[in-house]
Amino acid sequence: EVQLVESGGGLIQPGGSLRLSCAASGFNVSSNYMSWVRQAPGKGLEWVSVIYSGGSTNYADSVKGRFTISRDNSKNTLHLQMNSLRAEDTAVYYCAREDPSGFGEFDYWGQGTLVTVSS
Amino acid sequence: SSELTQDPAVSVALGQTVRITCQGDSLRSYYASWYQQKPGQAPVLVIYGKNNRPSGIPDRFSGSSSGNTASLTITGAQAEDEADYYCNSRDSSGNHPVFGGGTKLTVL
Repeated sequence: EVQLVESGGGLIQPGGSLRLSCAASGFNVSSNYMSWVRQAPGKGLEWVSVIYSGGSTNYADSVKGRFTISRDNSKNTLHLQMNSLRAEDTAVYYCAREDPSGFGEFDYWGQGTLVTVSS
Repeated sequence: SSELTQDPAVSVALGQTVRITCQGDSLRSYYASWYQQKPGQAPVLVIYGKNNRPSGIPDRFSGSSSGNTASLTITGAQAEDEADYYCNSRDSSGNHPVFGGGTKLTVL
C-alpha cells in the first residue's frame, strides 16, 4: 500500500529555518517525480517544488533561492529545507507523488504538516 | 494569480448534474487533472488524462476538454460530493505544475 507521511512542521519565527520530511512506503521515492504542494489557511493549492527521478529539481518563483528539495534514498524519504521563512510561507505542506505512468497528475498525497511563520 | 482559472463557487441540487470548468492556455497542450478536497483533508485525485478515474472514484465523475477549457462533470451529485475542487496542469511554458484557484461546490 502506498503511503506518504509528512513531519517537521511547527511554529517558527520570520527569518528562521525548518526542515520538512515525507516518509514514503509502497514505492521508491528515487524512481518517481516527487513534489511539495502547499495550502495557506483558507486558500488554494500552490505547487512549491519537484525533484525528478534523475535528481534534477525545480521550484516555484515564490520559494526559489530559499527552499531546497532533496531525498534520502536509503530512508525512502523526501525533504524540504526551508530557509529565510516569511509570514506568507504559512501553510499546510503536502508531499505528493506524480503518477509515473500518467499524465502529470498527483496520484498520492500525504496528510500534510502545518508550518506557521509568526513572531 | 493562477494560470488556470476556475469559478470560485458553484451549486447544484441533489441528484442533478453540475459542470466545473478550468480555463488556461496550457490546456491546449496538456491534460488537466482534478482533485476533490474536503475540509481538513488532503486532496484526492478524481480525474486524470483524457477521462480516467482512479480506482474507487464513482463513475458519476467524468472529465472532458475543448480548446483552452477542461471540465469536470458530476452526473447525479450526492451530498458527499460537497467539497472544493481543483484543476491541475502545467504552466504555460510546460516547466512545472500549476493549480487552479479552486471551486467550492455546494450540494443543495
